[in-house]
Amino acid sequence: DADVTQTPRNRITKTGKRIMLECSQTKGHDRMYWYRQDPGLGLRLIYYSFDVKDINKGEISDGYSVSRQAQAKFSLSLESAIPNQTALYFCATSGVAGGSDTQYFGPGTRLTVL
Amino acid sequence: DQQVKQNSPSLSVQEGRISILNCDYTNSMFDYFLWYKKYPAEGPTFLISISSIKDKNEDGRFTVFLNKSAKHLSLHIVPSQPGDSAVYFCAASARNIQGAQKLVFGQGTRLTINP
Repeated sequence: DADVTQTPRNRITKTGKRIMLECSQTKGHDRMYWYRQDPGLGLRLIYYSFDVKDINKGEISDGYSVSRQAQAKFSLSLESAIPNQTALYFCATSGVAGGSDTQYFGPGTRLTVL
Repeated sequence: DQQVKQNSPSLSVQEGRISILNCDYTNSMFDYFLWYKKYPAEGPTFLISISSIKDKNEDGRFTVFLNKSAKHLSLHIVPSQPGDSAVYFCAASARNIQGAQKLVFGQGTRLTINP
């Protein structure tokens, strides 16, 4: 079974709709992250959470919100989707090990906003 | 402002030869660097990392070199194999006051290994 799962894997929606992307992990990590990937731009950080009571904005948080429901669950919401939010979205988790902080990624959600 | 740059969008290498992927960064506060590999329809997977106190780290066929004065790192894969064909992301981090890290990613380089 995958350690980091994302649902849905693919979603097509219309402009103005509210969308929620969900992420669950079984790695027991405290830290969770949401990224989006766009062609030619790599992965950009949207929001991150270092524990259940901690939520922080990343470099591109406008138009997004998150909820950390439990240590294992971190959801990303688009309150009113717009076409330029069409992208590949990744959830990641990390836990300190030997001084490093390697992040482990889910399989991604491909979101298309028409 | 792109703090981590991979200036080569793509690279094609013959099987058995060496693949060299390059990455440049601008933030001198970065103290940890990682390479991730990504196959289509999958999330990025961790490949190898290096701390700023080192200039080389080796793991099997993969070696990462760090040149702090030039703010440059490279990933060497030797010998290259067809299964190495993927997109490679360079990432860098700087510990904040909480001691945790945020990763800043480059744009990625698509490596194709030709038989």
